[in-house]
Amino acid sequence: AAGVIQSPRHLIKEKRETATLKCYPIPRHDTVYWYQQGPGQDPQFLISFYEKMQSDKGSIPDRFSAQQFSDYHSELNMSSLELGDSALYFCASSSGGLSGNTIYFGEGSWLTVV
Amino acid sequence: SQQGEEDPQALSIQEGENATMNCSYKTSINNLQWYRQNSGRGLVHLILIRSNEREKHSGRLRVTLDTSKKSSSLLITASRAADTASYFCATDGNSGYALNFGKGTSLLVTP
Repeated sequence: AAGVIQSPRHLIKEKRETATLKCYPIPRHDTVYWYQQGPGQDPQFLISFYEKMQSDKGSIPDRFSAQQFSDYHSELNMSSLELGDSALYFCASSSGGLSGNTIYFGEGSWLTVV
Repeated sequence: SQQGEEDPQALSIQEGENATMNCSYKTSINNLQWYRQNSGRGLVHLILIRSNEREKHSGRLRVTLDTSKKSSSLLITASRAADTASYFCATDGNSGYALNFGKGTSLLVTP
């Protein structure tokens, strides 16, 4: 079965640069979630979209922005990168939000800021 | 602070033994999910239990939910070395569009 696809899998950027992560949800899933997981940390919720509209916002820095496109894929844009942004970024998708629904995670995108 | 807190933070057992991990949360929930994560890999969904359910089974996994105590437990029976991973519980936020994770339990199963 198709899973959540994230790209790129690995990314190295310098401080103050910009990075864009892409997420392709499971087909027919209309909700996308972004999470950040630092080394040895639990996943932190950043932001979610339902039907191309922002549905919830967590601890996402102002330097980050995200959107969901008409084909339901989503992109997380990170600007003015800092060393502390180095983390594993997960995208997840579900059908219709969390109410009784399972959300499925991608393998993640490793971002290293040097 | 995070919605869920796992206990213990780390657990080391031998193959064949049972492993029990606990999770506590702070606010009301619609459902609670358990995930497994191998080092540096993605989160794999294990089981979802709804707030009106008390117990759920899936293979060697047994999950209980006590909404009065705001706690859940994950039992892995007859553990295998391949069960070595971190296990997280996660609860849905108020909006229904944010899953809040606990700190996780690191399980080590030795042959």
